[in-house]
Amino acid sequence: GAVVSQHPSWVICKSGTSVKIECRSLDFQATTMFWYRQFPKQSLMLMATSNEGSKATYEQGVEKDKFLINHASLTLSTLTVTSAHPEDSSFYICSASERSYEQYFGPGTRLTVT
Amino acid sequence: LAKTTQPISMDSYEGQEVNITCSHNNIATNDYITWYQQFPSQGPRFIIQGYKTKVKNEVASLFIPADRKSSTLSLPRVSLSDTAVYYCLVYTDKLIFGTGTRLQVFP
Repeated sequence: GAVVSQHPSWVICKSGTSVKIECRSLDFQATTMFWYRQFPKQSLMLMATSNEGSKATYEQGVEKDKFLINHASLTLSTLTVTSAHPEDSSFYICSASERSYEQYFGPGTRLTVT
Repeated sequence: LAKTTQPISMDSYEGQEVNITCSHNNIATNDYITWYQQFPSQGPRFIIQGYKTKVKNEVASLFIPADRKSSTLSLPRVSLSDTAVYYCLVYTDKLIFGTGTRLQVFP
């Protein structure tokens, strides 16, 4: 089956710094990638959708200047959390899609901001 | 605001059949319904996907009524390793994960 990786799997950073999370589709070309955020004991919330080579579409309430998404190739998307604060601590999960109705999820990245 | 709701939790015993229902009143006409399993600190894992009626694979069945406003995931004979959170995913005016059902399987 299709495999999606994320790096790093966990990261701790200080308040005010920026963190970059990578999402890669390993054995297929992802025309669309999605970024989700999940707080403890809650469901996944879609943050943004990105298509290769174009700007990401952000969901209502997600600050695009804070959560920078780059989808530079068909196998790589990055999420950069800029000027991170403790309230940004969460589990970030990406998914990649080759066809519109299929999503393959990465293993997630645990971000802790101190 | 479109919501996709599920029971918060369910308990079962090994070997029993478990049915988890997701209510999605505002599902888009042409969208599929997908179910995922999630273990702590892991990404969701695909279980099954369907558009209408019944779909079956080696691990689960999915029942979708004609109006498509709900769907039921059926796990035929659960084991301890099926203890996890189960989510439905649908597209209404945007991609929405269900609220999630925490399944606990007891020996």
